[in-house]
This record gives sequence, C-alpha cells and structure tokens, in this order.
Amino acid sequence: QKEVEQDPGPLSVPEGAIVSLNCTYSNSAFQYFMWYRQYSRKGPELLMYTYSSGNKEDGRFTAQVDKSSKYISLFIRDSQPSDSATYLCAMISRNSGNTPLVFGKGTRLSVIA
Amino acid sequence: EPEVTQTPSHQVTQMGQEVILRCVPISNHLYFYWYRQILGQKVEFLVSFYNNEISEKSEIFDDQFSVERPDGSNFTLKIRSTKLEDSAMYFCASSERKGSNQPQHFGDGTRLSIL
Repeated sequence: QKEVEQDPGPLSVPEGAIVSLNCTYSNSAFQYFMWYRQYSRKGPELLMYTYSSGNKEDGRFTAQVDKSSKYISLFIRDSQPSDSATYLCAMISRNSGNTPLVFGKGTRLSVIA
Repeated sequence: EPEVTQTPSHQVTQMGQEVILRCVPISNHLYFYWYRQILGQKVEFLVSFYNNEISEKSEIFDDQFSVERPDGSNFTLKIRSTKLEDSAMYFCASSERKGSNQPQHFGDGTRLSIL
C-alpha cells in the first residue's frame, strides 16, 4: 500500500465552483499535513499547514484533517482561473530532526473562465 | 518575500558526466533539503542537511550523489556519473528551524536532462 494516495485528476471546474481535493494516507505516524500548489515549471509553493484534526481556513482555502480516517482535504471556494495548477499534499511524521516530507502524486486542477 | 534560488534552470548533460546543481537557501534558514521529481511521478526526498552534515538520506541518494555547503550561502548537489534515469526536476528546499512543525520552502527547481 502506498504511503500517500492522491487522485492525479485532471479535474476541470467552472470559475466560481467549490473545489475539493483529497489525500489518504496509511502511516499513522504522520502528524503534520501540508498542501502545496505547483504551477507549471515552478517549484511547490506552500499553501496550508495543519497539525491537528479539524479545519483551518485561510481566505478562500480551507484545509481539513481527519486523523481517525487518515484523510485530508483542501477546499477552494470561489475558484479562479489563477487557481489552475497542480496541488500536492505532503505530510511529515513527528520527529525532532529535519524530517523529509512525503508527497502525494498531485492533482492537476483547471478552472475554466 | 525571501525565496530559495536554484541554478541553472535547465541542465543538459551527457551520460557519465558529472553535474553540479546549485541552490541558495533563504538567508536565515539552517536546514536544507534536496528532492527530485521524475516526470509524471511524485516529489521524492533525496537528502537533508544541517550543520555541514547529512541528517538523513533516502535509498535514492547512493554513492554517486553528494551534497556540500561550500560557503555561507550556497548548497550544492553533485551527481558524479550521471545515468539516463537521473533525468528529473531537482528541487532544493530550506526551513528555518529544526522540527516537523517548520515548513519547508522550495525553489523552482533545476530540470536535468541526461542524453
């Protein structure tokens, strides 16, 4: 079983739609969860960073973590064409060192004007 | 906003040749990482580095790879004898402090093409 599973899409939505992106994971040691956005030919850009189960909101973005189900989500409200990118989930176990991130494969999102 | 800078953006190299990828992490960051992304696949961890030492490395980071912080600003990844399968995007990342709750910030990557 892969550590982090993410549907690669592509996902195409009309402008203004609510987008839901999801990842599941198998390793219960993962404690910190991130969403990165990656535009074409660019590096991953950190969008959201969460630790505990529950919701975290930042503008149009909401990150949701359900540790009991090993499931995380990113919701984008009022989606814009500029949101078109690949969205990567990433996670990290609780560790005092500079522990590596484990990434999902990424979901390619297109928001159509 | 401070950012991680990588050079070159694209490197084309003959198989068997040595290549050095360069990174300038964010200036007050102390922890450094290299990741790679083969086309169509996940971003994969290669190595982490702190205080002039490797902290952790993955199975991918074998004897052909090495990292160095030659001065106060640069962080390099050397691939000694490149193979076709080394073709990928290589990303450098840095974080300010130690710990899982410190976000890692990525550069825009170097696309390495091995011919």
